[in-house]
Amino acid sequence: AQRVTQPEKLLSVFKGAPVELKCNYSYSGSPELFWYVQYSRQRLQLLLRHISRESIKGFTADLNKGETSFHLKKPFAQEEDSAMYYCALYSYNTDKLIFGTGTRLQVFP
Amino acid sequence: KAGVTQTPRYLIKTRGQQVTLSCSPISGHRSVSWYQQTPGQGLQFLFEYFSETQRNKGNFPGRFSGRQFSNSRSEMNVSTLELGDSALYLCASSPPGLAGGDTGELFFGEGSRLTVL
Repeated sequence: AQRVTQPEKLLSVFKGAPVELKCNYSYSGSPELFWYVQYSRQRLQLLLRHISRESIKGFTADLNKGETSFHLKKPFAQEEDSAMYYCALYSYNTDKLIFGTGTRLQVFP
Repeated sequence: KAGVTQTPRYLIKTRGQQVTLSCSPISGHRSVSWYQQTPGQGLQFLFEYFSETQRNKGNFPGRFSGRQFSNSRSEMNVSTLELGDSALYLCASSPPGLAGGDTGELFFGEGSRLTVL
């Protein structure tokens, strides 16, 4: 079965602390993975995709096929990072983007 | 380029009524997907339309339906509304990929917030 799991509903950190939002997936094939972010009162938007191997707003995510994970990391959290983060898997089998249940990141000053 | 536009933004209905939501995708995008977003369930896939055909469907009852027009605009309809249908309904469009398929990247609208009383 194709599935995306985000085990944490809420992650709270202080400004300047490292952040890791966990994402595990289940997919038979080469996965294409994304992180989407939804800031307060803004629309859901793409943060980064694994094939780009880029850093956006200081966030990076590495695909670990052995652990079937795609964790989102940032070394020093900022208050403006507070948002809802969704991990997503694109299934070429079904042409469907499958989302995890999301993790709310709260960064305290 | 204008973003994905959804109307209405907010609406209140009572149980048993029906509702129609509209979505205009980004120009040039032919794929439109619909998601239901709730605090407890996150983003749940409803269905996806491509070139006026439903290409994918999620695990929602038949009360949820949709369609896509020749200009790629899409509508979704929920009949016999239930309290549990209260949610933010998101529409997203997708650009074509290099091979003509989807890239997997979705561009979301701001959503239609439905409250069922």
